[in-house]
Amino acid sequence: GAVVSQHPSRVICKSGTSVKIECRSLDFQATTMFWYRQFPKQSLMLMATSNEGSKATYEQGVEKDKFLINHASLTLSTLTVTSAHPEDSSFYICSVSREDQETQYFGPGTRLLVL
Amino acid sequence: AQSVTQLGSHVSVSEGALVLLRCNYSSSVPPYLFWYVQYPNQGLQLLLKYTTGATLVKGINGFEAEFKKSETSFHLTKPSAHMSDAAEYFCAVSDTGGFKTIFGAGTRLFVKA
Repeated sequence: GAVVSQHPSRVICKSGTSVKIECRSLDFQATTMFWYRQFPKQSLMLMATSNEGSKATYEQGVEKDKFLINHASLTLSTLTVTSAHPEDSSFYICSVSREDQETQYFGPGTRLLVL
Repeated sequence: AQSVTQLGSHVSVSEGALVLLRCNYSSSVPPYLFWYVQYPNQGLQLLLKYTTGATLVKGINGFEAEFKKSETSFHLTKPSAHMSDAAEYFCAVSDTGGFKTIFGAGTRLFVKA
């Protein structure tokens, strides 16, 4: 069965609105979750590392005020795209890592389209 | 710093033919290496991984990969391609296992009938 779920799977929003994407670890408690962004026909780019109970660590070039990450519990991390613009349209994928950190388990992804 | 290079953005094989997807990595520390498969509009599924030990790693769906330190390579192979293998394949590297994984650009595999 699925180890990681994401909600919603697809979302269409108007430019200027905010969108929240949820990532849930279903099988184990995840102290660390990762958020990736994937443009069409491109690879995954790590956006940020989400740590339970502390601030997320953002990769260089990722605006932390635009992509708000909250990891409020050991099974839930949220990514909020604030004041979304068409260039934010992308496929957002989260992943979770066990404590041994040998393997990441990826969510099914969320397709965001900003009009 | 770590990086991954996948040779060939597209690979096309006939059904039943050998599949070979190439991956070279760069890492200053002993790497953990992964191959993932992605079907359209879906997340990634782990095919196989190398952490330590045996350098020939067997994964799901008949895929395997061999870690060659001297060549800094981790090529993915399958003896006989199936139509259902058509997908995007990503090679990835990390230094402490699943933490902060760096992905290659991906290789799209086409399988011809």
